[in-house]
Amino acid sequence: QITLKESGPTLVKPTQTLSLTCTFSGFSLSTSGVGVGWIRQPPGKALEWLALIYWDGDKRYSPSLKSRLTITKDTSENQVVLTMTNMDPVDTATYYCAHMGHYFDYWGQGTLVTVSS
Amino acid sequence: NFMLTQPHSVSESPGKTVTISCTRSSGSIASNYVQWYQQRPGSSPTTVIYEDYQRPSGVPDRLSGSIDSSSNSASLTISGLKTEDEADYYCQSYDSSNRWVFGGGTKLTVL
Repeated sequence: QITLKESGPTLVKPTQTLSLTCTFSGFSLSTSGVGVGWIRQPPGKALEWLALIYWDGDKRYSPSLKSRLTITKDTSENQVVLTMTNMDPVDTATYYCAHMGHYFDYWGQGTLVTVSS
Repeated sequence: NFMLTQPHSVSESPGKTVTISCTRSSGSIASNYVQWYQQRPGSSPTTVIYEDYQRPSGVPDRLSGSIDSSSNSASLTISGLKTEDEADYYCQSYDSSNRWVFGGGTKLTVL
């Protein structure tokens, strides 16, 4: 079965760069049509799509955060990494990664990242 | 980019029917599929409707999706409401450049 799990720091300081890893199993990111996306959710607020990487290496970013985001994949390690630069307290959120077939059909449990000095 | 606007909250009694709307700000609602996700407190979202009206296996047929081009909106309808339906619901779609957008979410209370 498909599973995904996010990992990374739980606390980062303002201006630092956040790096989150999504480790998955049950599918290959080299399979045509497959993607892995990142979505975040500030406490008590709505979901916000951040980025998506496809099996062929194509990448998509949220227009409002594009300048701060980089998404990469390591197909052999079954991992996708999201980096976000210049972190700010407003970036405090639960960060989810999700498998995309034609939609986000499998989600990780999420990881809470707090931005504070 | 476009926005998807949902009511902040809706409430209804058990056994009744409720409809949650999702209005697209620009571009046609019919041009890209709409998905609906359910999120219970403390849990990750799960898909309840994909590609406008399709239900993943395991989702009861009490939940249904539709789109209305005249109002440029999508709707999630839940009939025979149960207390277990109480959750936040998010619509989601994407644009022609495959940039994904979520609605602001609707809190469903089953009183």
